[in-house]
Amino acid sequence: AQSVTQLDSQVPVFEEAPVELRCNYSSSVSVYLFWYVQYPNQGLQLLLKYLSGSTLVKGINGFEAEFNKSQTSFHLRKPSVHISDTAEYFCAVTEKGNNDMRFGAGTRLTVKP
Amino acid sequence: GAGVSQSPSNKVTEKGKDVELRCDPISGHTALYWYRQSLGQGLEFLIYFQGNSAPDKSGLPSDRFSAERTGGSVSTLTIQRTQQEDSAVYLCASSYEGRNTIYFGEGSWLTVV
Repeated sequence: AQSVTQLDSQVPVFEEAPVELRCNYSSSVSVYLFWYVQYPNQGLQLLLKYLSGSTLVKGINGFEAEFNKSQTSFHLRKPSVHISDTAEYFCAVTEKGNNDMRFGAGTRLTVKP
Repeated sequence: GAGVSQSPSNKVTEKGKDVELRCDPISGHTALYWYRQSLGQGLEFLIYFQGNSAPDKSGLPSDRFSAERTGGSVSTLTIQRTQQEDSAVYLCASSYEGRNTIYFGEGSWLTVV
């Protein structure tokens, strides 16, 4: 089955600094890729997704991610973070034609003033 | 309903007791997923349903865990003879077939004492 590796379990950054949360996937077929966010004491919600087309995907709250097929990566970026971006971020993958979605272990982003 | 509904939202049970967790997906969603999130851990895939069938049960941690879905709608996750290591948040999610974006419920917090 497909799998996801999030290379950083915790990422502390200062407010207004740029951030990159790394995600690599493994699959033998074409995939769809997702980033979900879980704010403290809340459920998971979709941040952005890549299905096809442009490899640069823009999501909510100023986040974007780039699909790199050759490196099997889908890293999440934001040029300037806010305190309110403090949350757990999960990368996920499904194989095309399959609804089975697998998640990475998550990256806890902590934004400091 | 407007979103994925899970019940109970919180459950404290004694070690050795059986528990049932219920998930009511978004109306019309054909795919339904169960994940487990332990404290400080990522999302652990348990099982997913396409309609009433479960193509992949490999994520269930042991034979004490079982799940069913009837009528292509409500699903029940049952844990028999609960153990302390079963304490976690059990998350349910659903999606349209082929649409791939999945929507999460708020989770059922299970504490085994």
